[in-house]
Amino acid sequence: GESVGLHLPTLSVQEGDNSIINCAYSNSASDYFIWYKQESGKGPQFIIDIRSNMDKRQGQRVTVLLNKTVKHLSLQIAATQPGDSAVYFCAENFGDMRFGAGTRLTVKP
Amino acid sequence: DAGVIQSPRHEVTEMGQEVTLRCKPISGHNSLFWYRQTMMRGLELLIYFNNNVPIDDSGMPEDRFSAKMPNASFSTLKIQPSEPRDSAVYFCASSPSGTDNEKLFFGSGTQLSVL
Repeated sequence: GESVGLHLPTLSVQEGDNSIINCAYSNSASDYFIWYKQESGKGPQFIIDIRSNMDKRQGQRVTVLLNKTVKHLSLQIAATQPGDSAVYFCAENFGDMRFGAGTRLTVKP
Repeated sequence: DAGVIQSPRHEVTEMGQEVTLRCKPISGHNSLFWYRQTMMRGLELLIYFNNNVPIDDSGMPEDRFSAKMPNASFSTLKIQPSEPRDSAVYFCASSPSGTDNEKLFFGSGTQLSVL
């Protein structure tokens, strides 16, 4: 029979375009958030983090936006490259690190 | 730094057998975490240690699972007896001090298949 599992949201973008990956977190008391990237066969790798006293933080080609009012986090990747293809997880910390289901990003050449 | 090191990378075993997964955290890190990743449930925290002491094991699914950290550079996750539903990728992660608001460094995982 068909297995039931997490159906990862997917995002497909053209190389060179900007990507926006969204995440809704669960706990209004969470005060620290991280975006991780997981490539096939590897563990999650840190991309960027943000604390709850900020609403925006920029890194190299990546920007994280935090909207505490609606408990929403987004990751923006500028000039997306084929090497950005992966599953992206947001994680929130309220005592321990809890991960979202992830979004699969596919970059078309 | 070599990062978090897990072994084995792949493990195939038969139902009922004992399985031991191993982890070496990054040197100097005081906290160690075990996660399980499946398609059904995503990434789940099983247990974490701070200064070799288990702090929260509420994520350990049942008594068949046990974890130890005998010293700062080594931890094991044991499943006995193993069952097919334990098939998953098991990740170990470490962080410098274990305080809140600190990123985790993950190993490459152990892909476990229980037949």
